[in-house]
Amino acid sequence: DIQMTQSPASLSASLEEIVTITCQASQNIGNWLAWYQQKPGKSPQLLIYGTTSLADGVPSRFSGSRSGTQYSLKISRLQVEDIGIYYCQQASSTPWTFGGGTKLELK
Amino acid sequence: QVQLQQSGAELVKPGTSVKLSCKASGYTFTSNHMNWIKQTTGQGLEWIGIINPGSGGTSYNVKFKGKATLTVDKSSSTAFMQLSSLTPEDSAVYYCARSRLSGDIDYWGQGVMVTVSS
Repeated sequence: DIQMTQSPASLSASLEEIVTITCQASQNIGNWLAWYQQKPGKSPQLLIYGTTSLADGVPSRFSGSRSGTQYSLKISRLQVEDIGIYYCQQASSTPWTFGGGTKLELK
Repeated sequence: QVQLQQSGAELVKPGTSVKLSCKASGYTFTSNHMNWIKQTTGQGLEWIGIINPGSGGTSYNVKFKGKATLTVDKSSSTAFMQLSSLTPEDSAVYYCARSRLSGDIDYWGQGVMVTVSS
């Protein structure tokens, strides 16, 4: 199985700050990488697919990038509504696997 | 709009089985594959398997083979997951979730809590 190592596990940031979350894939997954946001008591929601493409309705302050087998999610100016847990997911080969999650809190 | 409506919470005894349902609406049921995903505090998100509603073809995570069985009823646009020989380790929130050809999951059900306890 492809392992997705996500970091950090938790992150405290201030409003308007730039936030970056990373996922390291254990092998080449190309651009088959998605990011999800999960708010307390809710289902995960798709933020980014294909490494860099924004899902419908997602604010442009979110962006995704890749360097080799390391993938990053960037929030350019943190807003209150961005608080939650973020997960990466590889869709290169089954079993699809998720990162362990990053809990984003307000400082 | 696309909706995936899951059945209600379950409290079940060890050794028994449970069948969860996921009714899809707002799109052509056979146009997208349906996934089932387990979420626990300790293990995070785990992909259980996927079913093609059109053909009934399935693919399972080896970890859940023998534990989960995925089926669909095209006439009611409903996906099902049966979990067998339940143990406390099966206690979790289970999601049905629609995926696209690119493999990302664009719609999730609301999740159903399964508690296995005597």
